[in-house]
Amino acid sequence: QSVLTQPPSASGTPGQRVTISCSGSSSNLGTNTVNWYQQLPGTAPKLLIYSNNHRPSGVPDRFSGSKSGTSASLAISGLQSEDEADYYCAAWDDSLNGAVFGGGTQLTVL
Amino acid sequence: EVQLLESGGGLVQPGGSLRLSCAASGFTFSSFAMSWVRQAPGKGLEWVSAVSGSGGSTYYADSVKGRFSISRDNSKNTLYLQMNSLRAEDTAVYYCAKAPHIVATTAYFDFWGQGTLVTVSS
Repeated sequence: QSVLTQPPSASGTPGQRVTISCSGSSSNLGTNTVNWYQQLPGTAPKLLIYSNNHRPSGVPDRFSGSKSGTSASLAISGLQSEDEADYYCAAWDDSLNGAVFGGGTQLTVL
Repeated sequence: EVQLLESGGGLVQPGGSLRLSCAASGFTFSSFAMSWVRQAPGKGLEWVSAVSGSGGSTYYADSVKGRFSISRDNSKNTLYLQMNSLRAEDTAVYYCAKAPHIVATTAYFDFWGQGTLVTVSS
């Protein structure tokens, strides 16, 4: 079991808006910021959202992040076929004194 | 352009040792913390270890504590992971990842390498 909890799968049709949740605890999301990574099939992970809701240069504004208390979410609007990937949330955990990842959510574009 | 190139992976028997390297370029290596993150076949991401920019602070996941050792040579722009007492469950692709600041206590990794596969099997 991962320290951060994500749904194993999500899906949507092109153009739709989907959200992926990430649930943690006081020692990780309750205290520290959340980051999101996108992993396309057969490739290395790529930073998608950092510090809760900031997009790195080059990431489309269709991707957005939010955090409230010990939960966070990633929203993807105007879903496109190229968004089909695995998505992971991650945060530092003060109790474990290490970084923790969610189990990952496999997004399917129908 | 930031580049991270891992090497050193391969097949090793249970109980054996392996040292991974990550050659960095395109940024001032000593100014940024680095981490190792692994991914077992068909599984999710698991953080393994982190080191501060100076190398003075190190952190480990409980699953590898006492068996793995992270280090860096800032004169060679290279990150290392010494892995001892390897187990079948250590089989994974190992990625090196760069943090955007010198402090290692972060899950914010702005650049990742392509990974190197470690297989622990007899």
